[in-house]
Amino acid sequence: EPEVTQTPSHQVTQMGQEVILRCVPISNHLYFYWYRQILGQKVEFLVSFYNNEISEKSEIFDDQFSVERPDGSNFTLKIRSTKLEDSAMYFCASSPGTSSTYGYTFGSGTRLTVV
Amino acid sequence: RKEVEQDPGPFNVPEGATVAFNCTYSNSASQSFFWYRQDCRKEPKLLMSVYSSGNEDGRFTAQLNRASQYISLLIRDSKLSDSATYLCLEGSQGNLIFGKGTKLSVKP
Repeated sequence: EPEVTQTPSHQVTQMGQEVILRCVPISNHLYFYWYRQILGQKVEFLVSFYNNEISEKSEIFDDQFSVERPDGSNFTLKIRSTKLEDSAMYFCASSPGTSSTYGYTFGSGTRLTVV
Repeated sequence: RKEVEQDPGPFNVPEGATVAFNCTYSNSASQSFFWYRQDCRKEPKLLMSVYSSGNEDGRFTAQLNRASQYISLLIRDSKLSDSATYLCLEGSQGNLIFGKGTKLSVKP
């Protein structure tokens, strides 16, 4: 069964550093997403990406965050100047069509710990 | 502001029991609904879509009530492996909104 692959599975970084979280969506999917889940809290939408541009973003996704699809397979989330409160599980997801029709397939996540 | 509300539980049930969860949503324009399950420290996994007429997949039945703006999930003959957090999702064009999830614990 096709998978969404995320690397690394766990990233520890010092406050103020920049991190890049990587995702390889399912190959024939067209829509890509980043979500995060702070421990014990709900899964929160960050951003959606289609046709090489951001289609929607939440209020969480401020100037500290950026996304990129640098080649035909990778989809990255960059977090600049990390803060302690950025510690969370970050999930990448992809969908063949608009999510409201197909739902998402999630990757296994990257656990980000900011110290 | 779109909101999705779920009873956080936990629901503690014995093996073989039938259990039901509800999820209310605030956006009357929502078109799509899903149930996901999430195991501890794992990613959410799609359990089933929710269709207007209701749908069943083995021991799982999903229902949509548009008038009262809620969806439900019924699990029959609970198994130990059903223990997880069940997330409801609703969406119209664009991204989907998660509920906080309902925790189910099935005991022997």
